[in-house]
Amino acid sequence: NAGVMQNPRHLVRRRGQEARLRCSPMKGHSHVYWYRQLPEEGLKFMVYLQKENIIDESGMPKERFSAEFPKEGPSILRIQQVVRGDSAAYFCASSPPVPGRPTEAFFGQGTRLTVV
Amino acid sequence: AQSVTQLDSHVSVSEGTPVLLRCNYSSSYSPSLFWYVQHPNKGLQLLLKYTSAATLVKGINGFEAEFKKSETSFHLTKPSAHMSDAAEYFCVVSDTASNTGKLIFGQGTTLQVKP
Repeated sequence: NAGVMQNPRHLVRRRGQEARLRCSPMKGHSHVYWYRQLPEEGLKFMVYLQKENIIDESGMPKERFSAEFPKEGPSILRIQQVVRGDSAAYFCASSPPVPGRPTEAFFGQGTRLTVV
Repeated sequence: AQSVTQLDSHVSVSEGTPVLLRCNYSSSYSPSLFWYVQHPNKGLQLLLKYTSAATLVKGINGFEAEFKKSETSFHLTKPSAHMSDAAEYFCVVSDTASNTGKLIFGQGTTLQVKP
């Protein structure tokens, strides 16, 4: 059972370009979370998705950021018109569906986005 | 609102000596608490979790943590540090209020292990 797979591991974009970050959850996991880690800081929650549904996007910036988790394929975090402040490590985590009880999340290796 | 506070941003120990990484939590609900470790340029690995069972939780690599409700603490300990323990450690609480499973991270503690 492969772990949470994120790609690319490193992504360099020029200001104004679009960044697409992909996350394939562990097999059998239907819950996906995206977190952002700025340098010297802890991880901050961005968005929580289940298949074809955004459940909680309270941590997402209001503009330029979007996320999806389609019925087929990986979850995508999309950042339009990137700016230098978007440079960070973006981590995806997945967890199995256990209604009513928090369970630990399994994290991917992260995508390190650098905006130049 | 739920939160965690890691009381030390950096901890330095000598190899073979005990490790103590401190964490206090704030929660209106019975919390689910975790410790994760992050090695440089790597993802996060779960060390241990507390979910209202035994208050002394044993994790991987010889780490353990004790949930103390009276002190709202969940400190991470290890009897004897190894060089490979040098990493960033995060105390984490699950957002039980929303019941979505999203995690709230502390700021992290950098553990340095000196030979």
